[in-house]
Amino acid sequence: GESVGLHLPTLSVQEGDNSIINCAYSNSASDYFIWYKQESGKGPQFIIDIRSNMDKRQGQRVTVLLNKTVKHLSLQIAATQPGDSAVYFCAENYGQNFVFGPGTRLSVLP
Amino acid sequence: DVKVTQSSRYLVKRTGEKVFLECVQDMDHENMFWYRQDPGLGLRLIYFSYDVKMKEKGDIPEGYSVSREKKERFSLILESASTNQTSMYLCASTPPPRGRGEQFFGPGTRLTVL
Repeated sequence: GESVGLHLPTLSVQEGDNSIINCAYSNSASDYFIWYKQESGKGPQFIIDIRSNMDKRQGQRVTVLLNKTVKHLSLQIAATQPGDSAVYFCAENYGQNFVFGPGTRLSVLP
Repeated sequence: DVKVTQSSRYLVKRTGEKVFLECVQDMDHENMFWYRQDPGLGLRLIYFSYDVKMKEKGDIPEGYSVSREKKERFSLILESASTNQTSMYLCASTPPPRGRGEQFFGPGTRLTVL
């Protein structure tokens, strides 16, 4: 079975509420960041990206916030829907390298 | 619509077998990547390729090799499969510039090595 510590953190939210998923990145030289959504049995799908010269970017129902001072990225999902249930993970890009976070499982409660 | 396909969704192999995982993209992308995904560890880069017949090692290349004979196809090879290679394998591609920009992922191949 799985070892303790390898379980994904889980965020449970009520349908219709807003969700905030956080990510700490590792390299202060990273200048491009992406949030991905991965549904069960599928490959990751691009949600939204942000470059390091910005601190906020909005998409449809999603907002990404970047705090370079503390190397922190967050994804906000407005009016969370059942279809938003998935694993969400961030990726940081510096030079030719992508580094991916382990992910957070979002569970939407009816 | 952008498409990355992988040859198998589920694969079961025995220890010591040679395993081929195929990935094809129809977007004319130069850059292609192979990752493995394990619970709580995130995606880890095995190998990548920026051009035909070109390959570079990622973070965890041991036990794997790759082949890029055509621009649209990037194959991952497990020369002698072992149980610690049981994992989800994801292929991705990106347009140039090399290594930058959104990565388009395939659906993944869940490999079990018995």
